[in-house]
Amino acid sequence: QKEVEQDPGPLSVPEGAIVSLNCTYSNSAFQYFMWYRQYSRKGPELLMYTYSSGNKEDGRFTAQVDKSSKYISLFIRDSQPSDSATYLCAMSAWYGQNFVFGPGTRLSVLP
Amino acid sequence: SAVISQKPSRDICQRGTSLTIQCQVDSQVTMMFWYRQQPGQSLTLIATANQGSEATYESGFVIDKFPISRPNLTFSTLTVSNMSPEDSSIYLCSVEDDPLGTDTQYFGPGTRLTVL
Repeated sequence: QKEVEQDPGPLSVPEGAIVSLNCTYSNSAFQYFMWYRQYSRKGPELLMYTYSSGNKEDGRFTAQVDKSSKYISLFIRDSQPSDSATYLCAMSAWYGQNFVFGPGTRLSVLP
Repeated sequence: SAVISQKPSRDICQRGTSLTIQCQVDSQVTMMFWYRQQPGQSLTLIATANQGSEATYESGFVIDKFPISRPNLTFSTLTVSNMSPEDSSIYLCSVEDDPLGTDTQYFGPGTRLTVL
């Protein structure tokens, strides 16, 4: 079993839809969680950062962590074609530890 | 957040040659990282480079193949040595920029390497 898993997609949704992107993990010690967005031929761009459990909202993006289920989610409201990208989750167990990345989910938002 | 640039942005190289990739940051950072992202795959950490010390390599990566320099707090290089087609990948540098104690990483735009 991989340490961090994501559905690779591609996930295609119509413009304006609510998108749910998910990662599951096996290491119960993980407590730092990040979401990155990576456009084609570009480096990953940090979207959201969450420590421990709970929700965090930033504009159209909401990050959710459920440590009891070892499951994190990124919700995108009112999705736009410009949201079309690969979304990577990353996590670590303690401050300063190298992050483990998920394989990424490719999202396509259709106009 | 730190602004990171990489050179070259892409290159096509012959088997058996070496390529040095440069990473420049607009602010002083302690920790810099080098990742590889093979086609359709996620990021794999190659090594961590701290200024003034030897790079720390992850399992499966060795210094002879991927020598790294870190001469100061704003610059690092990664060399891909004796290249083979299996080294074709995107190479990314990242830095830990932690103004609020959030332990987050920021990435450069990447270097797309094709080995023939």
